[in-house]
Amino acid sequence: ETGVTQTPRHLVMGMTNKKSLKCEQHLGHNAMYWYKQSAKKPLELMFVYSLEERVENNSVPSRFSPECPNSSHLFLHLHTLQPEDSALYLCASSQVGTSGNYNEQFFGPGTRLTVL
Amino acid sequence: GQNIDQPTEMTATEGAIVQINCTYQTSGFNGLFWYQQHAGEAPTFLSYNVLDGLEEKGRFSSFLSRSKGYSYLLLKELQMKDSASYLCAPIYYKLSFGAGTTVTVRA
Repeated sequence: ETGVTQTPRHLVMGMTNKKSLKCEQHLGHNAMYWYKQSAKKPLELMFVYSLEERVENNSVPSRFSPECPNSSHLFLHLHTLQPEDSALYLCASSQVGTSGNYNEQFFGPGTRLTVL
Repeated sequence: GQNIDQPTEMTATEGAIVQINCTYQTSGFNGLFWYQQHAGEAPTFLSYNVLDGLEEKGRFSSFLSRSKGYSYLLLKELQMKDSASYLCAPIYYKLSFGAGTTVTVRA
């Protein structure tokens, strides 16, 4: 247990569905992240919420929409996904210093998403 | 991203030593993490280097040379449970991950 939980652990959805992934961290961190991990590819950073600022990877399609209502919760809203979006989606959290220095990230167990 | 280069695969026998090298872009560099990731699981933290030199933690050690843009992870007395992917993750304004080195430990 890393102190970061994700639900659901597995999700199968059709291309017309709308679903949301949820992440919660119990570590008191001030930054949360969404990563995508496709088979045999590096972890791809999708979104960062850090010190109340959102940083996006501009290559992420708009069918992925993050939401961070507070420092402990992070959502990834999914709509009209494509089969190539099937992957493991990992949430992580860390403590970021006021000077912007990043510390170790703690990962949740991930959500295995399959888009049919 | 950030020109992170590490070998794709390495194989070694139980009890042996493996060194996984990682090179990265030095511009904007702020430190480097190594993570271990077993198949189907989330990455877990192994080590963090911000200054030049060797950091030792039991069977695992990590080395950093900031001027050369080079790090390595050394795994000693390999055990079967060490079979996993090892991710080199240098920090710039954010954490970047290499593609990972899959280490297979054989009996």
